[in-house]
Amino acid sequence: QVQLQESGPGLVKPSETLSLTCSVSGGSISSSSYYWGWIRQPPGKGLEWIGNIYYRGSTYYNPSLKSRVTISVDTSKNQFSLKLSSVTAADTAVYYCARLAAAGIDYWGQGTLVTVSS
Amino acid sequence: EIVLTQSPGTLSLSPGERATLSCRASQSVSSSYLAWYQQKPGQAPRLLVYGASSRATDIPDRFSGSGSGTDFTLTISRLEPEDFAVYYCQQYGNSPAFSFGQGTKLEIK
Repeated sequence: QVQLQESGPGLVKPSETLSLTCSVSGGSISSSSYYWGWIRQPPGKGLEWIGNIYYRGSTYYNPSLKSRVTISVDTSKNQFSLKLSSVTAADTAVYYCARLAAAGIDYWGQGTLVTVSS
Repeated sequence: EIVLTQSPGTLSLSPGERATLSCRASQSVSSSYLAWYQQKPGQAPRLLVYGASSRATDIPDRFSGSGSGTDFTLTISRLEPEDFAVYYCQQYGNSPAFSFGQGTKLEIK
């Protein structure tokens, strides 16, 4: 059974960089069948796609966030990471990591709340 | 960028009734890459339907998806108490870039 687990600070100051890591267990991040991605959900609002990465390192970002987002992968640790720079209160959200298959997003992390506040 | 618009925003129904949720795309979406998710409070979304009409693993057959082009529908044939939640459609095209609809809240009448 594949499991994804987000980790990282729950509080980030405005203008700083948000950093999260997703650890994958029960399956290899190096599988050619999947992309790995980040999705966020501000409190009480809908889902917003942030970006995806393939195990070989190719990335795809939401155009509205592209200038501030970096997603990277570490196949040796079976992890991938998110960095979002110059955060504001509008970046406060539950951040999910997920696995994207041809049949949709079939596995999600439990989500981690990141609050941007001084 | 493909924009997905879901309607209605809120749907109030009683257990046992039929629910019909709509998802309209701003441009044609390959049916192979249209999915529906259910989200309950405090939980991550759960995949219900992929490829517009294929049920995901362990999803009851009261859930069905249909549609093509720009118009897609999720139907719940007979509502159970556990079905009251928020539902999202998602398109993931033929690239790994994707987008979600804004969601439909299905509430108990």
